[in-house]
Amino acid sequence: DSGVTQTPKHLITATGQRVTLRCSPRSGDLSVYWYQQSLDQGLQFLIQYYNGEERAKGNILERFSAQQFPDLHSELNLSSLELGDSALYFCASSPRQFATNEKLFFGSGTQLSVL
Amino acid sequence: DAKTTQPPSMDCAEGRAANLPCNHSTISGNEYVYWYRQIHSQGPQYIIHGLKNNETNEMASLIITEDRKSSTLILPHATLRDTAVYYCIVRVGDTGNQFYFGTGTSLTVIP
Repeated sequence: DSGVTQTPKHLITATGQRVTLRCSPRSGDLSVYWYQQSLDQGLQFLIQYYNGEERAKGNILERFSAQQFPDLHSELNLSSLELGDSALYFCASSPRQFATNEKLFFGSGTQLSVL
Repeated sequence: DAKTTQPPSMDCAEGRAANLPCNHSTISGNEYVYWYRQIHSQGPQYIIHGLKNNETNEMASLIITEDRKSSTLILPHATLRDTAVYYCIVRVGDTGNQFYFGTGTSLTVIP
């Protein structure tokens, strides 16, 4: 158990809909990261938050947004869903914002299926 | 975005050492090499990381060449539960704290 909690574990929805994925980082961790893993793309970094503020963006679509709340949990919002958004979405956390000697701890992921 | 190159797949006999290579020829002086693995569709699991010295923990050993352009992850006595995709990652330190995962090496431990 990494200490990172993601909910829900599975999510099935239809095209055009909007969903919210939730992540609770490990106790004491201030940074949260979101990754998308689809069959043909591998693990893609989406976005990083540190203590409530966006710190880095990766390959995140404009239809996707995220935020980190004062209690440090984070939500990833996916809107106008398309079939290609079906993927595993992972959240990870680390203690600080920018430390090259720091590990990321990953949650068990949310499997999103868009039908 | 990935700054590493790994073979796509490897096999290893159960009980033998598994040696997984990784090339990172463009690594910078302050960038660490990390290894993670992903078993089936579970979240990636941290294995080990290092800067320039060899490292060992309860899971594995990491051997980094003197020029730091390549490294090898060693699982000393592979078991069936070590079957997974292994990712070698060089952290992009100058633009944030994120890890960029490449395609990894799919290791199959054979009974």
